[in-house]
Amino acid sequence: GEDVEQSLFLSVREGDSSVINCTYTDSSSTYLYWYKQEPGAGLQLLTYIFSNMDMKQDQRLTVLLNKKDKHLSLRIADTQTGDSAIYFCAEVLAAGNKLTFGGGTRVLVKP
Amino acid sequence: KAGVTQTPRYLIKTRGQQVTLSCSPISGHRSVSWYQQTPGQGLQFLFEYFSETQRNKGNFPGRFSGRQFSNSRSEMNVSTLELGDSALYLCASSLVSHPNTGELFFGEGSRLTVL
Repeated sequence: GEDVEQSLFLSVREGDSSVINCTYTDSSSTYLYWYKQEPGAGLQLLTYIFSNMDMKQDQRLTVLLNKKDKHLSLRIADTQTGDSAIYFCAEVLAAGNKLTFGGGTRVLVKP
Repeated sequence: KAGVTQTPRYLIKTRGQQVTLSCSPISGHRSVSWYQQTPGQGLQFLFEYFSETQRNKGNFPGRFSGRQFSNSRSEMNVSTLELGDSALYLCASSLVSHPNTGELFFGEGSRLTVL
C-alpha cells in the first residue's frame, strides 16, 4: 500500500548537519523526492533519486536510500537559517506521475 | 528558463460557485499534474495530464475536473464549491511521465478560499 511517513519536527543549530528521515512502504517506487516548502510558497524541488541508486550528493545535500529497509534520508550539511522550512519526501510509483507525500518535517534552525 | 506558472495566485469564492485554475508548465514539459494541499489532509494527488490525455486520477469527486491543451498548458475546474475545497492547489510539470519521471517541478500554487 501507499504510506510515506516522516517525523514532525527537527531542531538544529546553525552550522550543524541536519538529517531528515522518511520511510515508505511500497517497494515499487521508481523515483523518490525531497521538496522544501517555505511559508506561503509552493514546493521547491531539492533533489531526487532513482530507486536503483543508494546515494546522491548535490552540494550541501546528501540523499541516502536503503531499499531493504524502505528508508530515505536527506542530510543537509552546514545548516543555515535559510534552511528553516517544511521538508517533504515523496515517492512516485503509479501511472500519471502520482506522488505520494509524507506529512512533512518542520525544520527549525537556531542561530 | 521560466518555471511553472500558476494563475491566479489568490482567489476568494463563495459556496456553490465554480472556479478555474490555470497552469503553464516549463517549456518542453508534456506532463502536468495537480495536487491539493490542506492542513488536515496534506498533499493529495488530483490528476495528471500527458499529451492532452488524463493518465491517472486521485480520489476526488467529479466536481473536480481538468484538461490539457495542445501547448501543454492545463486547467483544472472545481464546480459547486464547498467550504472544504479551500486549499492551496499546486501544479507540477515534468518532461515525461511515469516510469521515467525524473525531475518534477512545482509552481507557487493557487490559494483558494471558499466562504
